Amino acid sequence: EAQVTQNPRYLITVTGKKLTVTCSQNMNHEYMSWYRQDPGLGLRQIYYSMNVEVTDKGDVPEGYKVSRKEKRNFPLILESPSPNQTSLYFCASSSRQGIQETQYFGPGTRLLVL
Amino acid sequence: AQKVTQAQTEISVVEKEDVTLDCVYETRDTTYYLFWYKQPPSGELVFLIRRNSFDEQNEISGRYSWNFQKSTSSFNFTITASQVVDSAVYFCALTPTPGGSGGGADGLTFGKGTHLIIQP
Repeated sequence: EAQVTQNPRYLITVTGKKLTVTCSQNMNHEYMSWYRQDPGLGLRQIYYSMNVEVTDKGDVPEGYKVSRKEKRNFPLILESPSPNQTSLYFCASSSRQGIQETQYFGPGTRLLVL
Repeated sequence: AQKVTQAQTEISVVEKEDVTLDCVYETRDTTYYLFWYKQPPSGELVFLIRRNSFDEQNEISGRYSWNFQKSTSSFNFTITASQVVDSAVYFCALTPTPGGSGGGADGLTFGKGTHLIIQP
């Protein structure tokens, strides 16, 4: 089954404690990205990756890092989380072959930073 | 820069009524894709439709229909004979096609969403 998986689904942490949210897709997609969703703001892109070892900032990259060492994985790293990073996070992937394909979203990760 | 506006923050209707969710967009790209996603209370994002900017044909899928009008930069979504299960937050989104001239990140630009409440 084609899917995007994220782990963990729920996470409570404290300010300053480094954390990583993993994202993996099994569709051999080139393009992957991270979004955060906040009430009243919709979804905003954090980082994206066009392919392995190619990443770039989205609209709200401050406080986040990403890496793309393998095509299937695109982890989101919060080196020193702060309460304003409490949010719902979505990972997404899509093919970049030919026309723009639909983005497939993971189930979301709810993060609470105390 | 791209922008998607969903002016209706929340809509509440009684079951079986028809309801239209508005979406207006701005982009410098000449070619682009428009999407609608549904987010039910469980939180996942469910893909509903993708529309290429070249294709202005309206589309109907069961009780769902979409009206794309390039002249007014709108991509409205209508649910006919609404049901309680349609209650969700609905997002309209925009992305340039690869190589589009508008620049910026290649991801989706989302509207802020419309919370649709269908009352029994």
